[in-house]
Amino acid sequence: QVQLVESGGGSVKPGGSLRLSCAASGFTFSDYYMAWIRQAPGKGLEWVSFISNSGTTIYYADSVKGRFTISRDIAKNSLYLQMNSLRAEDTAVYYCARDIVAPGLFFDNWGQGTLVTVSS
Amino acid sequence: EIVLTQSPGTLSLSPGERATLSCRASQSVSSSYLAWYQQKPGQAPRLLIYGASSRATGIPDRFSGSGSGTDFTLTISRLEPEDFAVYYCQQYGGSPPLTFGGGTKVEIK
Repeated sequence: QVQLVESGGGSVKPGGSLRLSCAASGFTFSDYYMAWIRQAPGKGLEWVSFISNSGTTIYYADSVKGRFTISRDIAKNSLYLQMNSLRAEDTAVYYCARDIVAPGLFFDNWGQGTLVTVSS
Repeated sequence: EIVLTQSPGTLSLSPGERATLSCRASQSVSSSYLAWYQQKPGQAPRLLIYGASSRATGIPDRFSGSGSGTDFTLTISRLEPEDFAVYYCQQYGGSPPLTFGGGTKVEIK
């Protein structure tokens, strides 16, 4: 079955960096668009970034553009999010999610999430 | 950017009742590009509906989606105890950003 397992979250000071990983299994990773979506404590869902199956198409939310970098390693079946210049408002649970492969971009499988806390 | 506004913010209903959730877009969204998710406390979201009206794999038929243009609806025909949760709509039509609505909480009356 499809599994997405995030890791790499933790506590960091403002201005610091973290690298999140998402290990994928149970499907052909190279066939699917993937995304990072976050949820601040007690708040709604916010899209962060997505990457095409080939890695050639990448988009970011304006709130993270220039600070976050999404990437994927097909050989390792893994998705990554490099987060630099972290701010308090980046505090959230970060989910990796798999596209459903239908017109549009929707997510039928999600990881359990990893918590990132940015605080001095 | 397409802004999605969900209403009501909270819906208080009893098991067995019908729930009607609204998602209004700030500009027209192709029906193919609208989805609904359910999220329970401490869990990741679960895809319910995509393409405005197609149920995702394993979703019971008491969940249905409809709408077009700027107005979309998620209907739960008869609420089961496990349906009390927060529901989000989401759109992506090919141009970023991908956006979510603010959510509707369906709570037990």
